[in-house]
Amino acid sequence: GAVVSQHPSRVICKSGTSVKIECRSLDFQATTMFWYRQFPKQSLMLMATSNEGSKATYEQGVEKDKFLINHASLTLSTLTVTSAHPEDSSFYICSARSGQGVTEAFFGQGTRLTVV
Amino acid sequence: SQELEQSPQSLIVQEGKNLTINCTSSKTLYGLYWYKQKYGEGLIFLMMLQKGGEEKSHEKITAKLDEKKQQSSLHITASQPSHAGIYLCGADAGNTGKLIFGQGTTLQVKP
Repeated sequence: GAVVSQHPSRVICKSGTSVKIECRSLDFQATTMFWYRQFPKQSLMLMATSNEGSKATYEQGVEKDKFLINHASLTLSTLTVTSAHPEDSSFYICSARSGQGVTEAFFGQGTRLTVV
Repeated sequence: SQELEQSPQSLIVQEGKNLTINCTSSKTLYGLYWYKQKYGEGLIFLMMLQKGGEEKSHEKITAKLDEKKQQSSLHITASQPSHAGIYLCGADAGNTGKLIFGQGTTLQVKP
């Protein structure tokens, strides 16, 4: 299957700083990318959907100014957690799919963010 | 909004036993996906179902989508410890382009 690379896999940052997470589709063009957050022993919570060249669509309750999403090219999307706080500590996963309609979605390996 | 309900939430089986995980949608499914996840890792794509009545198999895992396209089941035959993990069903939420997930089923297989 297609490969989605997410980086970094783990990051520890100080409270108040910003952290950028990258999500790259390595062998296909990702017209749509999704960002999820996963709490321990829970399912994936969709944070936002981004289409290349457009502004991301955020889910209700997700702060746009805190979780900045950029999808500047067909192979790269970034999530920046700004002014991180300990409650932002979580597992973040990106997903990418190509084309329109019902197509396979491939996932990155996830990023474990710990804010201290 | 569309919701996916998975059952059971957790499952412990003896190695060699068969098991079934269900995924029920509050609305018609236009695309149903099954993924497996090891805790703290990414998701591994298992299968995608689109048509009512469709059934797909991969090794010892079979997934079905019912005729009404509102429920899917994942069946594992002769389970092995390597099948342990979290199984997630996902679906396209209508025409929104969003991919949503059920709450997951945690499977443990005892040797």
